[in-house]
Amino acid sequence: EDQVTQSPEALRLQEGESSSLNCSYTVSGLRGLFWYRQDPGKGPEFLFTLYSAGEEKEKERLKATLTKKESFLHITAPKPEDSATYLCAVQKVPAGTALIFGKGTTLSVSS
Amino acid sequence: GAVVSQHPSRVICKSGTSVKIECRSLDFQATTMFWYRQFPKKSLMLMATSNEGSKATYEQGVEKDKFLINHASLTLSTLTVTSAHPEDSSFYICSAPWTGGNTDTQYFGPGTRLTVL
Repeated sequence: EDQVTQSPEALRLQEGESSSLNCSYTVSGLRGLFWYRQDPGKGPEFLFTLYSAGEEKEKERLKATLTKKESFLHITAPKPEDSATYLCAVQKVPAGTALIFGKGTTLSVSS
Repeated sequence: GAVVSQHPSRVICKSGTSVKIECRSLDFQATTMFWYRQFPKKSLMLMATSNEGSKATYEQGVEKDKFLINHASLTLSTLTVTSAHPEDSSFYICSAPWTGGNTDTQYFGPGTRLTVL
């Protein structure tokens, strides 16, 4: 059965305290792994798509990496505005199919 | 990035009435759109795939007669919740796949909060 598991469920950081969020997956026929940010009451906001093990992508304080079994979202020197729920999702082949989501990690950054 | 809109953003209705939610891709065409449902502190669960020019495909356990989907054009899909009941109260979100440059993704709408009294 296809499965996406995110950990931790919740994470509290002080401003400037770097950390990582984990997304482990079991899926047959992986095409891509996606990271989204979701603020309360809003739709998910696209962050990254990763396709192959070893791939890395960066955007401001965020960096996503991918292995054959898991992905990490590294947050460097977070700020309070980085507080949100971070969702990981996988897409099976072929392209354009629906995403399978994990339950998310809710990040709180305090100043 | 590409933009997907939803309307309305919030709706409150009485039990037994029907509610229509629109999902539009504003700056790109989408032959396929997806409808998800999200309960509080839960993940997004796929309800159905909306296909332009053909019938929608529904996930197991989703009542197709209750959640009517129409993909009217390459930029518009609608979800109608028929005879809504309190248990249908949820956050409904649509998405559309987009391929541009050297990557592809799915862009999500802002969501519609449905409350059935």
